[in-house]
Amino acid sequence: QKEVEQNSGPLSVPEGAIASLNCTYSDRGSQSFFWYRQYSGKSPELIMSIYSNGDKEDGRFTAQLNKASQYVSLLIRDSQPSDSATYLCAVNKGGSYIPTFGRGTSLIVHP
Amino acid sequence: GAGVSQTPSNKVTEKGKYVELRCDPISGHTALYWYRQSLGQGPEFLIYFQGTGAADDSGLPNDRFFAVRPEGSVSTLKIQRTERGDSAVYLCASSAAGTAAYNEQFFGPGTRLTVL
Repeated sequence: QKEVEQNSGPLSVPEGAIASLNCTYSDRGSQSFFWYRQYSGKSPELIMSIYSNGDKEDGRFTAQLNKASQYVSLLIRDSQPSDSATYLCAVNKGGSYIPTFGRGTSLIVHP
Repeated sequence: GAGVSQTPSNKVTEKGKYVELRCDPISGHTALYWYRQSLGQGPEFLIYFQGTGAADDSGLPNDRFFAVRPEGSVSTLKIQRTERGDSAVYLCASSAAGTAAYNEQFFGPGTRLTVL
């Protein structure tokens, strides 16, 4: 089992819909969770961080963390074509400064 | 500067040559990370600096790879005797966090290395 798993996609949603991106992780002691967006040919850009169970909202983005089930998700409301990118999930094991990245999920928002 | 900068943006070299890749982190960020990313994959950790010292170099694939950060700011990743398998985008990131729990990282634009 990979340490951080994401469906590579692509996930295709219509403009205005909710996009749901999921990530599972293997280390039960993980404490820090991050979502990065990466446009084609560009570097990753941090969009959300979450550290405790539950939901965290920032504008159109909501991160959800469930440590018991070892998954973290990212919801994008009112999806726009400009949201089309690869979304990377990153997880820090407890006490570690080193994040492990998933391979990313490609999101396509079509008009 | 306002963000993390990396030079060069592109580097083409021949197999067996030596290359240096430079990273200038966000001013004041004590933590600096090097990653490499291949097409369709997430960033793969190489080395992490806290200040001037390499706190974790467990991701360096072999002894051809070396990195320094002599004054706790700019870092250089050095690759000796390059191989075609070293071709990738090399990413640098920096973080202000002093604790492991909250180390949100900010990435530079990357250096695309091509070994012919």
